[in-house]
Amino acid sequence: GQQLNQSPQSMFIQEGEDVSMNCTSSSIFNTWLWYKQDPGEGPVLLIALYKAGELTSNGRLTAQFGITRKDSFLNISASIPSDVGIYFCAGRGASGTYKYIFGTGTRLKVLA
Amino acid sequence: EPEVTQTPSHQVTQMGQEVILRCVPISNHLYFYWYRQILGQKVEFLVSFYNNEISEKSEIFDDQFSVERPDGSNFTLKIRSTKLEDSAMYFCASSTQGGVTEAFFGQGTRLTVV
Repeated sequence: GQQLNQSPQSMFIQEGEDVSMNCTSSSIFNTWLWYKQDPGEGPVLLIALYKAGELTSNGRLTAQFGITRKDSFLNISASIPSDVGIYFCAGRGASGTYKYIFGTGTRLKVLA
Repeated sequence: EPEVTQTPSHQVTQMGQEVILRCVPISNHLYFYWYRQILGQKVEFLVSFYNNEISEKSEIFDDQFSVERPDGSNFTLKIRSTKLEDSAMYFCASSTQGGVTEAFFGQGTRLTVV
């Protein structure tokens, strides 16, 4: 089945640093979503991407829909302690499917 | 801001018992989903539901699972005879359209089977 691999699996950064993470697949996806999950909570939507090459920002977050439609990237600029959490990408594949497949997650820790 | 609400937040049940997890999707949404997340793992798709029927389900969603929209607001997931490996966080989600729009998630129900 379709799988999404996220990297890195985890990262420790200093407050104020920029962060980059990505999500890759062997399959083509038509939609990419990025979520953040805090412990014991549900995923919270950060950014949605609908077109190949699309670059979308939400405050300090910027995400891109890869040109090949097999990957997506999320960048966080000037990280702050509340950025701590697990970031998941989620993709929807070819037409005819309603489900989103989630990536393996990137655990981010920010050191003050 | 509209949100997906789930009850209960935590359910403990004995192995073999039936459980019903409840969700109230966002009111103008038409597509509903259940996902689960085993502790420390990724979020896994279980089922999608549209127009009062299942539109898609995963291999996890076997005969022990069922979904229902008993009225205009609730969306439920029933597990008929729980197993230890059903212990997980169960998330309900909804969207205005199918996969072409973003899905919003509830806070989850933590199911513990003992």
